[in-house]
Amino acid sequence: EAQVTQNPRYLITVTGKKLTVTCSQNMNHEYMSWYRQDPGLGLRQIYYSMNVEVTDKGDVPEGYKVSRKEKRNFPLILESPSPNQTSLYFCASSPGTSGRNEQFFGPGTRLTVL
Amino acid sequence: SQELEQSPQSLIVQEGKNLTINCTSSKTLYGLYWYKQKYGEGLIFLMMLQKGGEEKSHEKITAKLDEKKQQSSLHITASQPSHAGIYLCGAVRKTQGGSEKLVFGKGTKLTVNP
Repeated sequence: EAQVTQNPRYLITVTGKKLTVTCSQNMNHEYMSWYRQDPGLGLRQIYYSMNVEVTDKGDVPEGYKVSRKEKRNFPLILESPSPNQTSLYFCASSPGTSGRNEQFFGPGTRLTVL
Repeated sequence: SQELEQSPQSLIVQEGKNLTINCTSSKTLYGLYWYKQKYGEGLIFLMMLQKGGEEKSHEKITAKLDEKKQQSSLHITASQPSHAGIYLCGAVRKTQGGSEKLVFGKGTKLTVNP
């Protein structure tokens, strides 16, 4: 089944404890992206990747890192999480190297930083 | 200010009623997506509109694009409880780096009462 998977789905952590949220897609998509969704602010792009080893900042990249060593994986790294990073995170992938194509979303990761 | 304004922010309708959700862009529309999100879950692609005047339908949902008004509407006919969720519009935007990405509206929360 074609899908985007994220792990973990739920995470409660404490300020400053490094964490990684994994994202994997099995559709051989070039483009991958991370979003966060917050009440009243909607869905905002954190980072995106047009292909392996090509990543760039989205609208709200502060406090996050990403890497794209393989086509299928695009992990989101929070080196020193803070409470304002409590949010619902989505990974998405799409064919092509542009973000203009239909994006397939993962199920989301609900992160709470205490 | 928000690039994509959705109205209304929330909507409660009785099962069987028709409804319309609007999405207005402050910038030129190159492509417009509609997604549906079940509460706290991932986004499901509904439709994409690319050309002015374009209209697409899927089951009881119809979307139209008015390029001149920089606006899209999503119309649901004879609503059912299964239509409940959050509807988001997304527009294609060019980045400073020359690539393209999706930006999203804040969403319209639809409740359908049986």
